[in-house]
Amino acid sequence: KAGVTQTPRYLIKTRGQQVTLSCSPISGHRSVSWYQQTPGQGLQFLFEYFSETQRNKGNFPGRFSGRQFSNSRSEMNVSTLELGDSALYLCASQGTVGTGELFFGEGSRLTVL
Amino acid sequence: GENVEQHPSTLSVQEGDSAVIKCTYSDSASNYFPWYKQELGKGPQLIIDIRSNVGEKKDQRIAVTLNKTAKHFSLHITETQPEDSAVYFCAAQLSTSGTYKYIFGTGTRLKVLA
Repeated sequence: KAGVTQTPRYLIKTRGQQVTLSCSPISGHRSVSWYQQTPGQGLQFLFEYFSETQRNKGNFPGRFSGRQFSNSRSEMNVSTLELGDSALYLCASQGTVGTGELFFGEGSRLTVL
Repeated sequence: GENVEQHPSTLSVQEGDSAVIKCTYSDSASNYFPWYKQELGKGPQLIIDIRSNVGEKKDQRIAVTLNKTAKHFSLHITETQPEDSAVYFCAAQLSTSGTYKYIFGTGTRLKVLA
């Protein structure tokens, strides 16, 4: 069974640009959540999607957005990039709604110059 | 607000010794506490979890304890091995209006010295 796939794995952008990251969950998983990982801050929750609907959102500015498609694939977008957006962005899929294991991808490492 | 504090941020132990990582959560409604291990260049992976109706859970060399009154939970690794070197994250699950989200700690970098 294929795991969670995130693309691209690495990318470099400049301030003011925008970026779109993609996540393909494990087959059959309908819940996809996104996290930002930075040194010293751990994993910070961005948002969660289930059946194309955003169910939960973390405390991030409106520059961070996401969506989920009918095949459960998800994308997140960050507009007007700032230096502080440099981070590892992790996607996780979940097969069981509620207290189920999160299956993480390897992440997309974004560097903003 | 919702918060999970994790200590220490770094931990070095000699191979064969034990390692303990501690977490404190703020929301008393949290009822599920997983631990994730992240190896270099990889995403976090669940290693053990505990629910609020249980005080302790073991799986071979790892164990987790939960004190709901004090809102503390801890990860214990015995007989550490070099392959245990990684970053460990604790988390607490919150349930709001029928949906769930996880609040993660800031991570502990464990180094097992051979």
